[in-house]
Amino acid sequence: DTAVSQTPKYLVTQMGNDKSIKCEQNLGHDTMYWYKQDSKKFLKIMFSYNNKELIINETVPNRFSPKSPDKAHLNLHINSLELGDSAVYFCASSQYDVTDTQYFGPGTRLTVL
Amino acid sequence: RKEVEQDPGPFNVPEGATVAFNCTYSNSASQSFFWYRQDCRKEPKLLMSVYSSGNEDGRFTAQLNRASQYISLLIRDSKLSDSATYLCVGLSGGYQKVTFGTGTKLQVIP
Repeated sequence: DTAVSQTPKYLVTQMGNDKSIKCEQNLGHDTMYWYKQDSKKFLKIMFSYNNKELIINETVPNRFSPKSPDKAHLNLHINSLELGDSAVYFCASSQYDVTDTQYFGPGTRLTVL
Repeated sequence: RKEVEQDPGPFNVPEGATVAFNCTYSNSASQSFFWYRQDCRKEPKLLMSVYSSGNEDGRFTAQLNRASQYISLLIRDSKLSDSATYLCVGLSGGYQKVTFGTGTKLQVIP
């Protein structure tokens, strides 16, 4: 069973579109994260939720909106996609907080044309 | 200056060699550190946490030097399967800030 899963694995879309990436973890963890890894492989945290509450919100455009319907899911919605949004987006989870091991999903490769 | 900096490499080493990477951090208040490993086109996975007293896990040894603000990862008896990018991670700001380094690429050659 996949511990942290993301859908879709690949996403190719046009500038200006709105898209969502879904993330689910079946580990019973309290905290979930979204990261962006750009073409230079720099991995940067975007958001972190603990039990559906936002606890880390780095400086990202407000076109990015995370949504956590329950503690097992953290979805990422992106409005008005731009070329610079092209990257690999990783979801992750950890048992209690950031000091615990983070388990990453397989990533979603987003390409904006 | 970046909060967490690593030499991107690549480090090309023969099988069986010992290799060491450093990662420097600029925030003296950084509280915890980790090493993650990322294979090409895969997700990062935890390799080991870095404790103040240093810690060892098989062929891997991690150390923290707070005075000089760096952490290190030593890999002994390198295997081909060790080829990957090694990311150091620092936590600061009361554990509210998670910063990944850009990674050091290791290529172990036969």
